[in-house]
Amino acid sequence: NAGVTQTPKFQVLKTGQSMTLQCAQDMNHEYMSWYRQDPGMGLRLIHYSVGAGITDQGEVPNGYNVSRSTTEDFPLRLLSAAPSQTSVYFCASTPTGGNQPQHFGDGTRLSIL
Amino acid sequence: AQSVTQPDIHITVSEGASLELRCNYSYGATPYLFWYVQSPGQGLQLLLKYFSGDTLVQGIKGFEAEFKRSQSSFNLRKPSVHWSDAAEYFCAVAAYDDYKLSFGAGTTVTVRA
Repeated sequence: NAGVTQTPKFQVLKTGQSMTLQCAQDMNHEYMSWYRQDPGMGLRLIHYSVGAGITDQGEVPNGYNVSRSTTEDFPLRLLSAAPSQTSVYFCASTPTGGNQPQHFGDGTRLSIL
Repeated sequence: AQSVTQPDIHITVSEGASLELRCNYSYGATPYLFWYVQSPGQGLQLLLKYFSGDTLVQGIKGFEAEFKRSQSSFNLRKPSVHWSDAAEYFCAVAAYDDYKLSFGAGTTVTVRA
């Protein structure tokens, strides 16, 4: 019953460092997405994917990169971390082809110093 | 593009009292509507969803929500709150046959004894 698994749960980076946040799901869901959560702003969509090999930008994609080589995994890369990227990051997945809600991971709390 | 407004940033309610959280959406057609709850340090859990049909939707933990097209609203209610209902609540909307969620800024609920 793993669902959506995000690693790490916490991370502190220095400005300019790069990092990959991992997201894996074991439900064979085609659709996966990344959100960031900031106080007073709810969750905002960074990138999403409708299947292996297909990715697209969401509302706030700048400074982030994604790839989808398998159905299970959808990593989010910070290319050169900036303090403005301090946030809580959530990965979500859902099956396509039906009216299904998204399943969320427990989040990664990221601080950029 | 769709959007969501949650007018109340913070609500304090006494244990055993009723609770209503407001949600207004903006979307030209029939939306997909969701309420999620987030306990401190946790991910998002789906409370209930509306896709079509009966406008009064029942969810988990004794919550219900009513879709009112004329008012573009999807308010969440609970007749009698428990201390464990203290959390942050998010309303979200998706366009028809789309998987991208637009979230409101959230409402924090505090329950006093």
